[in-house]
Amino acid sequence: DAGVIQSPRHEVTEMGQEVTLRCKPISGHDYLFWYRQTMMRGLELLIYFNNNVPIDDSGMPEDRFSAKMPNASFSTLKIQPSEPRDSAVYFCASSIGGKGLQETQYFGPGTRLLVL
Amino acid sequence: DQQVKQNSPSLSVQEGRISILNCDYTNSMFDYFLWYKKYPAEGPTFLISISSIKDKNEDGRFTVFLNKSAKHLSLHIVPSQPGDSAVYFCAAIGSNYQLIWGAGTKLIIKP
Repeated sequence: DAGVIQSPRHEVTEMGQEVTLRCKPISGHDYLFWYRQTMMRGLELLIYFNNNVPIDDSGMPEDRFSAKMPNASFSTLKIQPSEPRDSAVYFCASSIGGKGLQETQYFGPGTRLLVL
Repeated sequence: DQQVKQNSPSLSVQEGRISILNCDYTNSMFDYFLWYKKYPAEGPTFLISISSIKDKNEDGRFTVFLNKSAKHLSLHIVPSQPGDSAVYFCAAIGSNYQLIWGAGTKLIIKP
């Protein structure tokens, strides 16, 4: 398996523009996670899905952020409109298990977003 | 309030010596802990884990120790190698299967 795939790897955009980040989880994994990493706040969980259903989006910073998982092999994280403070590395991760199974999460390479 | 704390932002160790990375947590309900390793421009990768029913788990050069009474765990790397230079994240499994992450410790192995 190719692992978790994220695109684009780098994104530079101007403030106010819409940004869409994409993720393809590992086949067979039923959990998908979106994280944001910044120098100030470290690694933050934004939202996670189980079987394509959003379970907890309490980490999503604002209404400008939205995430979807239309099927088991694809998820998007959208920022509209983007702001300079959204600049960060966004990671997608997937895992097999549920609560109590302690399955590890497999991370994609991340998307480095810069909002000017 | 940080539930998982890695108080050392960075650590420098001589090649061949032991590296000890520390992690403290506040929630006694956490029952599973993981260490991830992250190289620049890559996503974190799983390294080693430990369940709260154990106090030690070993995998090659990596050993994790858990002290439940102190709510403390540590990762030992021995001997340290240049390729171990990375950021190490401690994480605990919280409610709803969320991973609660520490801020990370940057390990630098000096030749």
